[in-house]
Order: sequence, then structure tokens, then C-alpha cells
Amino acid sequence: EAQVTQNPRYLITVTGKKLTVTCSQNMNHEYMSWYRQDPGLGLRQIYYSMNVEVTDKGDVPEGYKVSRKEKRNFPLILESPSPNQTSLYFCASSLGTGANTDTQYFGPGTRLTVL
Amino acid sequence: AQTVTQSQPEMSVQEAETVTLSCTYDTSENNYYLFWYKQPPSRQMILVIRQEAYKQQNATENRFSVNFQKAAKSFSLKISDSQLGDTAMYFCAFARYFGNEKLTFGTGTRLTIIP
Repeated sequence: EAQVTQNPRYLITVTGKKLTVTCSQNMNHEYMSWYRQDPGLGLRQIYYSMNVEVTDKGDVPEGYKVSRKEKRNFPLILESPSPNQTSLYFCASSLGTGANTDTQYFGPGTRLTVL
Repeated sequence: AQTVTQSQPEMSVQEAETVTLSCTYDTSENNYYLFWYKQPPSRQMILVIRQEAYKQQNATENRFSVNFQKAAKSFSLKISDSQLGDTAMYFCAFARYFGNEKLTFGTGTRLTIIP
């Protein structure tokens, strides 16, 4: 089954304790992104990657890191989480640019709470 | 930069009726994509419908159709014969034709279908 998976689905942590949220897709997609969803703000892009070893900042990158060492995986790293990073996080992937390849497919989401 | 505006934070409609959700956007691009995503209580982001700006014809997917007015930069979603399973948050989103690795989302409309 074609899908984007994220782990963990729920995470409660404390300020300053490094954490990683994993994301994996099995569709051989080139593009992958991370978004955060906050009430009243919709979804905002954190980072994106257009291929292996190619990453760039989205709209709200502060406090986050990413890496793309393999095509299928795109982990999100919070080196020193803070309470304002409490949010719902989504990973998404798409085949690439051009007609009919633009649709982004989303993972199930990760609910992160930073105390 | 592109912006997407959804001016209806909440809507409700009786089952089997028709409802229209509004979305406007701002861009200087001529070619782009527009999307409606549905987020039910499960929080999964589900693609409802997709429109390519260079196509005049409005997209349709079963009970879901759009009214795409390019000059007015308007992209409304019509749900016909609404069902209880349509209860969800609905997000309008924009992607550039080139550089479509990023989706710009509106703030969402919470739709409730009343039995």
C-alpha cells in the first residue's frame, strides 16, 4: 500500500530534550516536506527536500533541523524543543514537479506536546 | 509570496443539502495548482479535489466540485448531497506550477453536517 508513515504518533516531552520524528514514504517520491498545524493558522511548511541531500527552509524553520540521506526518509529533528513547538506535525511527499506529479500525500500526523 | 484566505471559520448544513466553502488567493503567477484537502476527526489530510489554473474547466469529483474564477482569484468548493461523513475541517491550498514542493494553506473551514 502506497503511504507516508510517521513515528511516533503522539509524543509528550520536556523543554530541551532532543527528539526526532521519523517520516518514511514507499512511493519513490522526490519531494518531501514537513508542516506544522496550529489552530487558526492552518498548515505551515517547516522544511522541504527536493531530493537526497537537498533540503531548504520553508516558512517556519526556526528550531528545527532535517536531513535527507535516503530518498524514502525525511526525519524532523528538534535539538532543544520549547513549548511553542507544541503542535500537530505532518510529513508529506510528492512525485516531483510537472503535470500530474504535484499532489502531496500526507502522513497521519504527530501530536507533539512540549512541557 | 502567495496567500490563501478562507473567510468562513465554521459552517453547518443539514444532511443531503448543498454547501459551498469559499477560498480566495493572491498570487502573481499565471500557472499554478489549487487544492481542497479534508481533515476529518482522525486528523488525516485527504485530498478532495485538484485544479490546474491553466485549465478552464472546473474540476469535479463525484459530489465535490469547484467554481474556479481565475480573474477573481477565487476557488470555492461545492459539496452536493452532503453526508455525515463530510463533517471535517476543509483546507484550501495553493502550489506554484514550478516550485510546487510547497503548499500554502488557508486557515480552514470547519464543516458540520447535521443529521
